[in-house]
Amino acid sequence: NAGVTQTPKFRVLKTGQSMTLLCAQDMNHEYMYWYRQDPGMGLRLIHYSVGEGTTAKGEVPDGYNVSRLKKQNFLLGLESAAPSQTSVYFCASSYLPAYGYTFGSGTRLTVV
Amino acid sequence: KQEVTQIPAALSVPEGENLVLNCSFTDSAIYNLQWFRQDPGKGLTSLLLIQSSQREQTSGRLNASLDKSSGRSTLYIAASQPGDSATYLCAVMRYGNNRLAFGKGNQVVVIP
Repeated sequence: NAGVTQTPKFRVLKTGQSMTLLCAQDMNHEYMYWYRQDPGMGLRLIHYSVGEGTTAKGEVPDGYNVSRLKKQNFLLGLESAAPSQTSVYFCASSYLPAYGYTFGSGTRLTVV
Repeated sequence: KQEVTQIPAALSVPEGENLVLNCSFTDSAIYNLQWFRQDPGKGLTSLLLIQSSQREQTSGRLNASLDKSSGRSTLYIAASQPGDSATYLCAVMRYGNNRLAFGKGNQVVVIP
């Protein structure tokens, strides 16, 4: 089925470890986004991309890096994980912002 | 900065009652507004997308209105069912901005 796929779905990291979250979409969408969702904080934008090879910072970019080497993939990296990065991470994509967003099912990350 | 507020944060209604969920935003220069549903531990499912030029959108038992001048949107769910129990999120996109600003959600429980 067409949509946004996130891998992995769950992960536990130790402080200081690194990891990459993968987001893949098969809808030929130009725009892709990474959000984090925390209790009481709502969804906050980490980074986004308006097309292949482009990235931009969102509200809470510190401690994260992203890459969009292929149009269908948007990677979120944590170079040195911290407990404050324990969260649920959502990827979203859009053909054009006016057409609305499609979200993935999320990655639940715990940093101990 | 666009601030999005959803009231009430949580509510319980008996099955069969109509649900009314409110969303307010501080900057009326919006491109569109989108309502999402989120089930516990799951991703976001898009319910309705209202462009800034529209006053309302309908899908089945769902109806969403938009009043840009007053910075408000209302989601109506007619004849609520236990399956409507979820968190409903409102998100707004400003003109000249590719990002969605989210409210913290209305957590709904429909009591059989």
